Amino acid sequence: GAVVSQHPSRVICKSGTSVKIECRSLDFQATTMFWYRQFPKQSLMLMATSNEGSKATYEQGVEKDKFLINHASLTLSTLTVTSAHPEDSSFYICSARSRRRGHYNEQFFGPGTRLTVL
Amino acid sequence: GQQVMQIPQYQHVQEGEDFTTYCNSSTTLSNIQWYKQRPGGHPVFLIQLVKSGEVKKQKRLTFQFGEAKKNSSLHITATQTTDVGTYFCQFSGTYKYIFGTGTRLKVLA
Repeated sequence: GAVVSQHPSRVICKSGTSVKIECRSLDFQATTMFWYRQFPKQSLMLMATSNEGSKATYEQGVEKDKFLINHASLTLSTLTVTSAHPEDSSFYICSARSRRRGHYNEQFFGPGTRLTVL
Repeated sequence: GQQVMQIPQYQHVQEGEDFTTYCNSSTTLSNIQWYKQRPGGHPVFLIQLVKSGEVKKQKRLTFQFGEAKKNSSLHITATQTTDVGTYFCQFSGTYKYIFGTGTRLKVLA
């Protein structure tokens, strides 16, 4: 099956620093990747849709200058949380959409990155 | 952001009992996906429903898409401790995926 990796799995940083999270599709090409944020015991909230070679589409209320997304290749998308603050602490999960016929809406999720900002 | 309501929010069942979660939308959906997220883990795709009134089964799991394509359900027969987790429905629009609020299932041995 399709595998998506995320790195790092866990990061603790000081307030004001920037954190980069990588999302890779390991055995398939993903023209579209998605970034979600999940608070404890809550659902996943879509932050942005990342398309290879173009600018990301951000959901309402998500600051594009704070959450920088780059989708430089068909297998890699990065999310950079700039000048992180404690309220940015959360579980960030990426997913990639399969291009396989008949599985267009199936998403494969990375293992997530738990960000803690002190 | 926009969300699809799921009920119940929580469910505790005794092992062997059945479990059902419902996903309701105010608008007609083109399709719906179901995911399972184990505690501390990430969502794992279970199934996609596309047709009105569609019913699909995976062993003890039965998925149904409403006739009006505004609701869906996931039913687990004779729950096991391995069924523990949060079950999310998700629907997709144009370049957009919305997750339901989720139903957290606990199974007591």
